Amino acid sequence: EVQLVESGGGLVQPGGSLRLSCAASGFAVSSSFMSWVRQAPGKGLEWVSIIYPGGTTYSADSVNGRFTISRDKTKNTLYLQMNSLRAEDTALYYCARTYFYDSRTRGFDIWGQGTMVTVSS
Amino acid sequence: EIVMTQSPATLSVSPGERATLSCRASQSVSSNLAWYQQKSGQAPRLLIYGASTRATGIPARFSGSGSGTEFTLTISSLQSEDFAVYYCQQYNNWPPGDTFGQGTKLEIK
Repeated sequence: EVQLVESGGGLVQPGGSLRLSCAASGFAVSSSFMSWVRQAPGKGLEWVSIIYPGGTTYSADSVNGRFTISRDKTKNTLYLQMNSLRAEDTALYYCARTYFYDSRTRGFDIWGQGTMVTVSS
Repeated sequence: EIVMTQSPATLSVSPGERATLSCRASQSVSSNLAWYQQKSGQAPRLLIYGASTRATGIPARFSGSGSGTEFTLTISSLQSEDFAVYYCQQYNNWPPGDTFGQGTKLEIK
């Protein structure tokens, strides 16, 4: 079965750090375009970071320099290292696979159930 | 950054009727647009990609149209399971800077 399972969320103080994990089954994380997408309570969706099969990464301006996306091929797991956390980072964090239907057409076709991060003192 | 604006914020429709949801981009995104459905307490589900192609397993009552800056998601005959929040997403930027609309809540009238 193809699925993604996130873990690692919790309560952290402002300025603190947290590492999220996303374990995949049914497909290889290392050969896929993988993203983190977040959703603040009662709000919409915000793309956070992406890692390409070749290892190139990009992040949204709102987290650039604070969050780092990575993966472990042997564990088939995606990670998001979050440093210098702020109250505005409070959200449900989803990992999602970006699937390319052709060279330009794509979509987030597989999503995990999300892991909640709360930044508060 | 490309800003995606969805309208209306809330749409009240009776089961069996047609629902039309709109999404507007602040600049052209060609056909690089997707639609997602999110039910309460669940992760989003991909409905449409390439502005008009249904994803695997999506019923034919869902259809997407548009290009450039104006897009529409139509649900031809609403079923009880269709009441949810719907998001559009543009992926025209590369490297990615995907952006989503703020969502349209489709509720039972």
